[in-house]
Amino acid sequence: GAVVSQHPSWVICKSGTSVKIECRSLDFQATTMFWYRQFPKQSLMLMATSNEGSKATYEQGVEKDKFLINHASLTLSTLTVTSAHPEDSSFYICSASPVTGNQPQHFGDGTRLSIL
Amino acid sequence: LAKTTQPISMDSYEGQEVNITCSHNNIATNDYITWYQQFPSQGPRFIIQGYKTKVTNEVASLFIPADRKSSTLSLPRVSLSDTAVYYCLVGDAGGGFKTIFGAGTRLFVKA
Repeated sequence: GAVVSQHPSWVICKSGTSVKIECRSLDFQATTMFWYRQFPKQSLMLMATSNEGSKATYEQGVEKDKFLINHASLTLSTLTVTSAHPEDSSFYICSASPVTGNQPQHFGDGTRLSIL
Repeated sequence: LAKTTQPISMDSYEGQEVNITCSHNNIATNDYITWYQQFPSQGPRFIIQGYKTKVTNEVASLFIPADRKSSTLSLPRVSLSDTAVYYCLVGDAGGGFKTIFGAGTRLFVKA
């Protein structure tokens, strides 16, 4: 149980385009989802906290107009990287916390984004 | 959010027991301690979670002293496939376990 699916797992696109990444909790409901970014050989960096039905909370230094987050249901959150540039290339990972009980975050398998 | 500190790297041999200690001096009363394993190009995978004393599951044990300012992940009889980065996270269930990742411990298991 407690599976989080991310799609796509890998995307290459041209500079200036927008890319949407989906994060779904497949077998549980999640009031809260998190988005992280990870550069090679580094740890995960929290970008934002996504709460169902409300605006996301962004960490300091993360541009909310650049990284649009939507959490329309208890099983789906999306991250849209708008007008992507090469410096946005990274590994993006989402996680979700079940609404019931003191259960930990469960992570998706990440999305490798490469901007040419 | 509580900050965590772990050794940057550790080496071990197959079949040995590995203990990775994490320091979290400013852990809050409602915080849980959770350990994750991450392989390259994959998301972190849950290993074990605890609040106090000792927790054991089929893959690991977690030891938490009474003051909860540290915790130790114990991996019995590691194999080559346990080579990965291990993260200790501290977070409150009420906040969806929002947490800040530390640098993690890079474990390298040798034959």
